[in-house]
Amino acid sequence: RKEVEQDPGPFNVPEGATVAFNCTYSNSASQSFFWYRQDCRKEPKLLMSVYSSGNEDGRFTAQLNRASQYISLLIRDSKLSDSATYLCAVNITSGTYKYIFGTGTRLKVLA
Amino acid sequence: DGGITQSPKYLFRKEGQNVTLSCEQNLNHDAMYWYRQDPGQGLRLIYYSQIVNDFQKGDIAEGYSVSREKKESFPLTVTSAQKNPTAFYLCASSIDHGREQPQHFGDGTRLSIL
Repeated sequence: RKEVEQDPGPFNVPEGATVAFNCTYSNSASQSFFWYRQDCRKEPKLLMSVYSSGNEDGRFTAQLNRASQYISLLIRDSKLSDSATYLCAVNITSGTYKYIFGTGTRLKVLA
Repeated sequence: DGGITQSPKYLFRKEGQNVTLSCEQNLNHDAMYWYRQDPGQGLRLIYYSQIVNDFQKGDIAEGYSVSREKKESFPLTVTSAQKNPTAFYLCASSIDHGREQPQHFGDGTRLSIL
């Protein structure tokens, strides 16, 4: 089983829709969590950190479920410009430190 | 402007040739990383450095070498021993390796074989 897993998609949604992605992790020693956005042929850019109590940044909401070992990203009122691949990253600190990326979920917002 | 600068943006390599990819950061970050991304794939860690004059192998270090002589710079050499070097190479940095801080990326170098 991969340490960090994401549904590759694509998720095709109409403009204005609400869409949610999950990212599951297998190591319970995972300490911190992040969401990145990667546009085609570009570098990943940090979208937001994920805090234990959940956090929101405009139309984006990130949540952490430690019991079920997953994080989620919710995008409300999707825009065409939200079309991208969304990568999760998990920081594991047990013995040695590891920062592991998921392979990403592709989102296409359709007009 | 603080950031991570990778150069060149595109690089072509002949068979049997070593090439070096540059990564410079002015964020005063201690930790730096090199990843490789193949089409439709995730990021794979090649090497990382926690501090100047120290570096560690990642998951796919074979055929690559690095140095960390200055805090700001972490160049990656793709040697002729790397048989499938065509990929998108990403350099990243973070404040500290081991703290719960995110990594930030340069804009990448695309390497292709002639």
